[in-house]
Amino acid sequence: EAGVTQFPSHSVIEKGQTVTLRCDPISGHDNLYWYRRVMGKEIKFLLHFVKESKQDESGMPNNRFLAERTGGTYSTLKVQPAELEDSGVYFCASSRGTTDEQFFGPGTRLTVL
Amino acid sequence: GEDVEQSLFLSVREGDSSVINCTYTDSSSTYLYWYKQEPGAGLQLLTYIFSNMDMKQDQRLTVLLNKKDKHLSLRIADTQTGDSAIYFCAVFNDYKLSFGAGTTVTVRA
Repeated sequence: EAGVTQFPSHSVIEKGQTVTLRCDPISGHDNLYWYRRVMGKEIKFLLHFVKESKQDESGMPNNRFLAERTGGTYSTLKVQPAELEDSGVYFCASSRGTTDEQFFGPGTRLTVL
Repeated sequence: GEDVEQSLFLSVREGDSSVINCTYTDSSSTYLYWYKQEPGAGLQLLTYIFSNMDMKQDQRLTVLLNKKDKHLSLRIADTQTGDSAIYFCAVFNDYKLSFGAGTTVTVRA
């Protein structure tokens, strides 16, 4: 069974540009989560989808971040316009049920210059 | 929200035991986890403990939970070079995980 995949693995952009991160969850997993780790700090929850619906987006930093999960399969996280403080590693995770184990992808390392 | 604290670095000699400590604030957490991240890889679930347990042992790993003090620890027996990684403590409630900043474990020969 394929694990959670994320694309790209690395992205380097300039401040003010737009970046879109993609996450493909494990097939059959209705729950999809986005987390972020800013340099050396804790991994913070961003948001949670159940199928295509946003269940909890309390961790989204501001309105420059937009997450979608059309059709309830893969998800995208767009940052527009990117700021320096958005640099970090963005992790995606998926789970079958809400209280089941969350399986994590390898992360996307975003660097904003 | 939940605050999870853990020490940032640990250096251990190969063959010795490693102990990584974690404290948290929310006593309603149902599950508590330890994740491992190796370079270039995602987060791998190492082990977990239910909040109604005090201890869990899984081969070289021992998890201790002190609910009164809100303290969680992970002991790795006979630490090997392959155990070098970042270890994250995480607590689960409100359908999401709250993580600490991670403890970087370096195993020296």
